[in-house]
Amino acid sequence: ETGVTQTPRHLVMGMTNKKSLKCEQHLGHNAMYWYKQSAKKPLELMFVYNFKEQTENNSVPSRFSPECPNSSHLFLHLHTLQPEDSALYLCASSTRQGGGGDTDTQYFGPGTRLTVL
Amino acid sequence: AQTVTQSQPEMSVQEAETVTLSCTYDTSESDYYLFWYKQPPSRQMILVIRQEAYKQQNATENRFSVNFQKAAKSFSLKISDSQLGDAAMYFCASASNFGNEKLTFGTGTRLTIIP
Repeated sequence: ETGVTQTPRHLVMGMTNKKSLKCEQHLGHNAMYWYKQSAKKPLELMFVYNFKEQTENNSVPSRFSPECPNSSHLFLHLHTLQPEDSALYLCASSTRQGGGGDTDTQYFGPGTRLTVL
Repeated sequence: AQTVTQSQPEMSVQEAETVTLSCTYDTSESDYYLFWYKQPPSRQMILVIRQEAYKQQNATENRFSVNFQKAAKSFSLKISDSQLGDAAMYFCASASNFGNEKLTFGTGTRLTIIP
């Protein structure tokens, strides 16, 4: 499955570093999502973008900064992270978000395994 | 708000046998969708099957089928003729059809296939 790609696949960073995660979708979708997956916990929705506009910020700390320059690309900028931020970060996309009608299925990327030292 | 509960952290099944994974949910919405996703060791979350709540007929997708009990808010996944490639974490998820499609996930069930 190469519809949604994420880079890097693995990232190790110190608490003072600044890094960025990248997500790209090749499915012609217009909604993109960031999720955090921690061990023993359900996936947590972090951010939602719909037609490049942020429509959801699920009380995420400001040390996570999303950017969506167009409907195909989504970034997550990281700075001054904490060890508890270590997790698998998943990106997803769908054809639309909001407005009623049929809910469209979200397609996921392979994730970035982040370790904060 | 929606909640999804998967009460079986781990399950195992003999190859070629049938296994059922349980999921219950709670929602105040009148219209919603339910999903089963599979996450193999490669970590890619893959859609297995989805069910529209307004449809009475249970969804099927090849060897995968669901038992959707709307009144009981139950949404179990049945895997027939289990194969080694079915080994993965399975997540149940729900989404409202009004205003947004935020997915609410359960904690997952790890399925092991015994050769």
